[in-house]
Amino acid sequence: SQQGEEDPQALSIQEGENATMNCSYKTSINNLQWYRQNSGRGLVHLILIRSNEREKHSGRLRVTLDTSKKSSSLLITASRAADTASYFCATVRNSGGSNYKLTFGKGTLLTVNP
Amino acid sequence: GAVVSQHPSWVICKSGTSVKIECRSLDFQATTMFWYRQFPKQSLMLMATSNEGSKATYEQGVEKDKFLINHASLTLSTLTVTSAHPEDSSFYICSARKRQPYSNQPQHFGDGTRLSIL
Repeated sequence: SQQGEEDPQALSIQEGENATMNCSYKTSINNLQWYRQNSGRGLVHLILIRSNEREKHSGRLRVTLDTSKKSSSLLITASRAADTASYFCATVRNSGGSNYKLTFGKGTLLTVNP
Repeated sequence: GAVVSQHPSWVICKSGTSVKIECRSLDFQATTMFWYRQFPKQSLMLMATSNEGSKATYEQGVEKDKFLINHASLTLSTLTVTSAHPEDSSFYICSARKRQPYSNQPQHFGDGTRLSIL
């Protein structure tokens, strides 16, 4: 079953605007990761936030994590047309051993219009 | 660094054919590789976890005799879809994780293989 649930499912904005995507999950986690997928391609890792962290930045990306609400948000500032892609959150539960499987949410399709 | 190469990127073949997909970590050693399946406009579903030198661990509902996984070296895992049928048509993606520490490590993904069975 899906651990993460992103909302919105689709988001369309104008270039220069900010885009915010949210992710909720159900069980306790080791860390939460955000990935980007361009159409027909593999996933690119964007940012990883550990369960004991509350906020993390990377360039135009800002991720927050609220473990009490079991939710995370990804903010992309000053969006560009090249940011158009699907964005997935993925959680890592400590499932024991060394596997640490990723469980993906359903994703948010972001369209940035020029 | 952390480049994962997946080959082929696109396969079209007749029903009943077996298809092999390769996943290579080009600039790092990957003790563990993962195989996912993705349907159009949907999320990634983990099929199996591939560990170098041991048998793969399959997720519930995934037929191990249908999807054969071999992880013979620290840089190569293969997924063979045996006797493929149209319902096996999908986008298959592999990922690899660097060696220890296991926690708090991102996965590095290949570009996927689009499999179309006629």
